Amino acid sequence: GAGVSQTPSNKVTEKGKYVELRCDPISGHTALYWYRQSLGQGPEFLIYFQGTGAADDSGLPNDRFFAVRPEGSVSTLKIQRTERGDSAVYLCASRTGGQTGELFFGEGSRLTVL
Amino acid sequence: GDSVTQMEGPVTLSEEAFLTINCTYTATGYPSLFWYVQYPGEGLQLLLKATKADDKGSNKGFEATYRKETTSFHLEKGSVQVSDSAVYFCALSGATSGAQKLVFGQGTRLTINP
Repeated sequence: GAGVSQTPSNKVTEKGKYVELRCDPISGHTALYWYRQSLGQGPEFLIYFQGTGAADDSGLPNDRFFAVRPEGSVSTLKIQRTERGDSAVYLCASRTGGQTGELFFGEGSRLTVL
Repeated sequence: GDSVTQMEGPVTLSEEAFLTINCTYTATGYPSLFWYVQYPGEGLQLLLKATKADDKGSNKGFEATYRKETTSFHLEKGSVQVSDSAVYFCALSGATSGAQKLVFGQGTRLTINP
């Protein structure tokens, strides 16, 4: 596609359930990022992939959060045993390799944990 | 650690008014500075950036100057339009947070009335 695609756009789940959020980056972009945006706040960094490997996962809040990018393209953010505090918009972004290319964001996946 | 502070919103102006959205940062070293914009129903988009002191970023009539002496990167536009209504985020990268992470402010919601 032309831009970064995220699915689902909205997800409502119950506390304790498992959730997967998918990101399809712009074709050819080797760098992929996940951010989390809570209500009224700016996005916060979660994890960064360069190719298939997680180059920096220092932003993941705890071991309930995990992300993969097995073929260096699509990425999945996985949240186990969801808690109400996990409710937020999860943003994915991608860019070409290197540090100076523009970062392109998807529209986000809004997660609501009841 | 690195941080970004933006003026609190929401900000409401009339069309053709002058706009300033203040942004200050705390960082060691020499970060790159950015303004991102989020229009209703769309993903975050890069509006402008500056990578070293005294650089001026500009785009779509918006400007911001990297002021190291005041650690600021205020966003300005001489004459706003209704289509500028959006949420604006100031961000930095490349200091202690690392070149691959963007650190965002909390965002400022701007509404322009005709």
